[in-house]
Amino acid sequence: AQSVTQLDSQVPVFEEAPVELRCNYSSSVSVYLFWYVQYPNQGLQLLLKYLSGSTLVKGINGFEAEFNKSQTSFHLRKPSVHISDTAEYFCAVSDLVSNTGKLIFGQGTTLQVKP
Amino acid sequence: DAGVTQSPTHLIKTRGQQVTLRCSPKSGHDTVSWYQQALGQGPQFIFQYYEEEERQRGNFPDRFSGHQFPNYSSELNVNALWLGDSALYLCASSVRRGHEQYFGPGTRLTVT
Repeated sequence: AQSVTQLDSQVPVFEEAPVELRCNYSSSVSVYLFWYVQYPNQGLQLLLKYLSGSTLVKGINGFEAEFNKSQTSFHLRKPSVHISDTAEYFCAVSDLVSNTGKLIFGQGTTLQVKP
Repeated sequence: DAGVTQSPTHLIKTRGQQVTLRCSPKSGHDTVSWYQQALGQGPQFIFQYYEEEERQRGNFPDRFSGHQFPNYSSELNVNALWLGDSALYLCASSVRRGHEQYFGPGTRLTVT
């Protein structure tokens, strides 16, 4: 079975500052990794995904994430945040073995960007 | 290109009632997965439909059932509603049970 832990429930940051949202996962098999963003009263939007290849993944809106297999982590970063980045961010995994696309999500991290 | 659509947007039901939620997948997608997102929590997988059959199920009771139609749209039915069923219900679509899933805006269900 897989599980996902998002290490920070809330991350306050000032506009134009860098930010890192931390995600660790547990799995006995290889996984695909995802970050989703959820704006208030909306569904989930895919920010980026790691399937294979380069461990540094670039996504939309200037976000990037780095897959670290030895530390089973997939932290999300942005060098300079905007007010519009204020949202809930979810890390998720799906396992390659069952290959069904079922997603296991973390509890979410609220990013609060202050002016 | 229409994305994933869900209806209704909001719904209020009373304990013990039954509810049906609807989802139309993104154009070109043939797989629909349903998730429940309680307030302040991450989404939890309910089940997945592909080729009009339930292919995988999460840890949800039999009160939760679904259906997929030949046009790939799907319904989620919940019987004998509990207060704890109050949540945002998200539908996600993909191609051939693929890992890249696109989510709809969700249906907010409130059980009183």
